[in-house]
Amino acid sequence: QSALTQPASVSGSPGQSITISCAGTSSDVGNYNLVSWYQQHPGKAPKLVIYGVSKRPSGASDRFSASKSGNTASLTISGLQAEDEADYYCCSYAGVYSWVFGGGTKLTVL
Amino acid sequence: QVQLVQSGAEVKKPGASVKVSCKASGYTFTSHTVHWVRQAPGQRLEYMGWINAGNGNTKFSQKFQGRITLSRDTFASTASMELSSLTSEDTAIYYCAREPADGYYMDVWGSGTTVTVSS
Repeated sequence: QSALTQPASVSGSPGQSITISCAGTSSDVGNYNLVSWYQQHPGKAPKLVIYGVSKRPSGASDRFSASKSGNTASLTISGLQAEDEADYYCCSYAGVYSWVFGGGTKLTVL
Repeated sequence: QVQLVQSGAEVKKPGASVKVSCKASGYTFTSHTVHWVRQAPGQRLEYMGWINAGNGNTKFSQKFQGRITLSRDTFASTASMELSSLTSEDTAIYYCAREPADGYYMDVWGSGTTVTVSS
């Protein structure tokens, strides 16, 4: 499958909110409520921040929220903090026991 | 706590094969699927495939069909990924990740294994 489409970069000031989009197709994002989001700091492994479109794993910050509309999923981070600066990847189940990641978005906290 | 500990960095010549292992602890290994994801330098995460640690069933991304072997050793609680016919484009960090019981995402990740392919 082709990678899901994310903006290459987004930025925001501390305390602000930002939203990262993740565009897929009717074969993946649009067909399943199985989108997850991962945060990756430089040199580190990815870390789960959202699963099942909008669910937060235990221990995840409630400043992270997410949703889906049609073939596009979105991750919103509110009250931006310096520690949020990282790469963010969406991932969707794509049927027939396959998964696809997005191209990744670099978040800069100004 | 749930942990996935991966094997150390590898340097391989073009045409060779590499095998990366992923040892699980803190949970019942055979009750979960293990996914494999790689990341070339400065690039995005790329999905490779999965193995059901219980029954050994596997599935791979079409890109890796014919070159990838996923296996598991239930006694050692270890999953492994072998990639053959390496080229410089296979230089990447290879991650294993666990799929939780409610499925369809990856909740715990290994720290990654760097594989460098160079002549």
